[in-house]
Amino acid sequence: DTEVTQTPKHLVMGMTNKKSLKCEQHMGHRAMYWYKQKAKKPPELMFVYSYEKLSINESVPSRFSPECPNSSLLNLHLHALQPEDSALYLCASSQTPGQGAYEQYFGPGTRLTVT
Amino acid sequence: AQSVTQPDIHITVSEGASLELRCNYSYGATPYLFWYVQSPGQGLQLLLKYFSGDTLVQGIKGFEAEFKRSQSSFNLRKPSVHWSDAAEYFCAVGATSGTYKYIFGTGTRLKVLA
Repeated sequence: DTEVTQTPKHLVMGMTNKKSLKCEQHMGHRAMYWYKQKAKKPPELMFVYSYEKLSINESVPSRFSPECPNSSLLNLHLHALQPEDSALYLCASSQTPGQGAYEQYFGPGTRLTVT
Repeated sequence: AQSVTQPDIHITVSEGASLELRCNYSYGATPYLFWYVQSPGQGLQLLLKYFSGDTLVQGIKGFEAEFKRSQSSFNLRKPSVHWSDAAEYFCAVGATSGTYKYIFGTGTRLKVLA
């Protein structure tokens, strides 16, 4: 099973709201990722968790707060977002790189609209 | 600096025709190479990957890609395109020194004419 699931599929939120995106995988992967993708662009890496610890933060604004409660779950908490944060948010997972890169498996994404 | 170039932003082919999508990379050593496909509003699906060994790799959905070190290329091919292949295709590179990060190309949008 190479499935990564994400909920919700669509989310509309106001700039003062607090919401969360959820991601789950059961492939035993110990690396999990959040990406942001704008229309007609490739995904941009936001965060990487490795063994449930934050490994990479690509200088993402603090209004985005990631959380990895266990090895299968990854959350992205959203607060006080701006309209320019509207995008497709993708979760991915992989084995941890070790001596080389491994393929990442992506979820279907959450389409976020900030009003 | 590492980079990935997909020279073609858009490609249009007729159903049943052959397809080649180009990908060139800039990296000092042999990288790990990937092709992904993304249908509108969906996530990325891994088509195939190259890590080492045979330079012609087979993937899902009838796709194949060939790694050419001398040309720093990893072009994706399909002998006969189906209408369902219409999508965005991304080439990506992962460094061999152990990294979580991909470098993505800008993508090629494929349109298939019936």
